[in-house]
Amino acid sequence: QVQLTESGPGLVHPSETLSLTCTVSGFSLTGYSVYWVRQPSGKGLEWMGRMRYNGDTSYNSALKSRLSISRDTSKNQVFLKMNSLQTDDTGTYYCTRIEHWGQGVMVTVSS
Amino acid sequence: DIQMTQSPASLSASLEEIVTITCKASQGIDDYLSWYQQKPGKSPQLLIYDATSLADGVPSRFSGSRSGTQYSLKISRPQVDDSGIYYCLQSYSTPLTFGSGTKLEIK
Repeated sequence: QVQLTESGPGLVHPSETLSLTCTVSGFSLTGYSVYWVRQPSGKGLEWMGRMRYNGDTSYNSALKSRLSISRDTSKNQVFLKMNSLQTDDTGTYYCTRIEHWGQGVMVTVSS
Repeated sequence: DIQMTQSPASLSASLEEIVTITCKASQGIDDYLSWYQQKPGKSPQLLIYDATSLADGVPSRFSGSRSGTQYSLKISRPQVDDSGIYYCLQSYSTPLTFGSGTKLEIK
C-alpha cells in the first residue's frame, strides 16, 4: 500500500540548514507528485513545495529563496533542504501525495 | 495565489445536528478541492477529494458539495469521534493553499 515516511533531525540550530527525506513505497515517483507541507505547533497547514512526477519543482514564494526540493527515483526518496533556519521554522514537516500523508517529523529550531 | 476562506473558525455541535463547514475559493478551482480531518498529534486524514468524492474508508455521514466557488463539507449526525480540526485544500494551481481550519467539537 501507499506509504510516505519522513526522516530527519529533530533539532536544528538557528541559521543552519534543515535536511529532510521522504521515503515512499507503493507507488512510483515518476507517476505521482509529492508535496512538502509544514505546520507550526498549534497552527494551520502551510504548503512548502512540490516535486512533480516529471521532475519539475514548485515552491512557496515566501520560502523559495531558502528552499530546495530534489529526488532520487532509484531510492524512492524526495528530499527537502531549507537553509537559514529561524525559530519560527519550528513545527511538524509532512510529505504528502495529497490523498496519503506521512506521519510527519517534528523539527525544533533552537540554540 | 488562490485564497481559501474557511468558516467557521470553530464550531460546537450535538450528535443530532448537521454540521457544515465551508471554504470559498477566490477564483475557480475546477473542483480540485480536498477536505481533511486532523486530530492532535496526527497527520491530516483525507475525507473528500475532487470536491464530492468520498475517500476510502470514510463514513457516509461525510459529504462534499459545491455552489459556485464555495465548497462545503457536511457531517450528518456527527459522532463524538468526529471532533478535530478540519481543513480544505485547493490543488488546482500552485501554490497549493489550505483553508485556515475549523475546530469542531461534538458534544
